[in-house]
Amino acid sequence: QVQLVESGGGVVQPGTSLRLSCAASGFTFRTYAMHWVRQAPGKGLEWVAFMSSDGHNKYYADSVKGRFTISRDNSNNTLYLQLNGLRAEDTAVYYCAKREFNWNYLDYWGQGTLVTVSS
Amino acid sequence: DIVMTQSPDSLAVSLGERATFNCKSSQSVLYTSSYRNCLAWYQQKPGQPPKLLISWASTRESGVPDRFSGSGSGTDFTLTITHLQAEDVAVYYCQQYYSDPCTFGQGTKLEI
Repeated sequence: QVQLVESGGGVVQPGTSLRLSCAASGFTFRTYAMHWVRQAPGKGLEWVAFMSSDGHNKYYADSVKGRFTISRDNSNNTLYLQLNGLRAEDTAVYYCAKREFNWNYLDYWGQGTLVTVSS
Repeated sequence: DIVMTQSPDSLAVSLGERATFNCKSSQSVLYTSSYRNCLAWYQQKPGQPPKLLISWASTRESGVPDRFSGSGSGTDFTLTITHLQAEDVAVYYCQQYYSDPCTFGQGTKLEI
């Protein structure tokens, strides 16, 4: 069965960096595009970043562009999100999610990892 | 970006009754090549990640009870849950995937 397991969250100070990981199993990771979606405490879902299956295409929400970087290692079935220049408003649970093969709806989600940015 | 607006923000329904959720997009999400609407519904129970319920506005995912149904086209969509059960308490989100970036509605919280 499909499993997505995020890790790397924690409590950090504003301006610092963090790298999130998402370990994928149960499907052929290298053939699927992936997304990161976040959810601030008590708030709704906010799409963050996308990466194509081969890693050649990526795009970001305006709110994180220039600060976050999505990447993937298809040999190790892992998706990453590098978070730089963290701000208080980046505090959220970060989910990785698998895209359906051709369309950007998200058929599997991980349990999420919490990032708290606080001084 | 396409803005998704859900209504109401919260909904209280009795067990066994029907719950109706609305979702409106700021522009049409109808993919004319296949005449399918690029609209998904997700369920998020407390403390859990979202779960995909419906894609293409009306196609239930495998394992989703047939009490859940989706309808609508263009810019106006509805998720209906019949014979409401206690386990249906959750926040329900719509999402468009017609254009990038994909965008979510703000969610509707269902209470019993």
